[in-house]
Amino acid sequence: DAKTTQPTSMDCAEGRAANLPCNHSTISGNEYVYWYRQIHSQGPQYIIHGLKNNETNEMASLIITEDRKSSTLILPHATLRDTAVYYCIVQTGNQFYFGTGTSLTVIP
Amino acid sequence: SAVISQKPSRDICQRGTSLTIQCQVDSQVTMMFWYRQQPGQSLTLIATANQGSEATYESGFVIDKFPISRPNLTFSTLTVSNMSPEDSSIYLCSVVFGFAYGYTFGSGTRLTVV
Repeated sequence: DAKTTQPTSMDCAEGRAANLPCNHSTISGNEYVYWYRQIHSQGPQYIIHGLKNNETNEMASLIITEDRKSSTLILPHATLRDTAVYYCIVQTGNQFYFGTGTSLTVIP
Repeated sequence: SAVISQKPSRDICQRGTSLTIQCQVDSQVTMMFWYRQQPGQSLTLIATANQGSEATYESGFVIDKFPISRPNLTFSTLTVSNMSPEDSSIYLCSVVFGFAYGYTFGSGTRLTVV
């Protein structure tokens, strides 16, 4: 079962930062936090992942709290093409279990 | 990351028939996974397919309905048997090379049962 909870939906103005929160209070010490997104029912696309430290790549930044019980995905300058469902996932054993995700709508 | 090819990309099938979905990976991987995504829903893990052993099914999924083959380290098939309209979904395969790298997903097979 999914170990994460996310808001169902969010809006963000184009060009502004989109901050997507995720709670994972039962995460274990060696479990990674992953973020994926899915556009128009295509296959999920990898965005970023992290274990303890904050991470940044060309797509986004991932901020993980010190107690690791929550994280935030930051899209620094949202565009209309970032409209998608965003999934925060914590691995369970060898498996990924998807939660319900956050439907992000970027508004012109 | 791996490149995953799924076939067919979409199909419309008659109820009572079966469809086999193929998943080809361009690299050898130990673990492959099959997911189902029903209309408007999130992804649900069906089973884990490991080469050389039987697939491990998640609660609510059975081998008779979703038989899986894994003949080698780059290929797997999922069959949806005795289909009904409730099986209309997107079926996706995915692989992982290590949890430091995350999962890679195929583009999915969109199945409609009429």
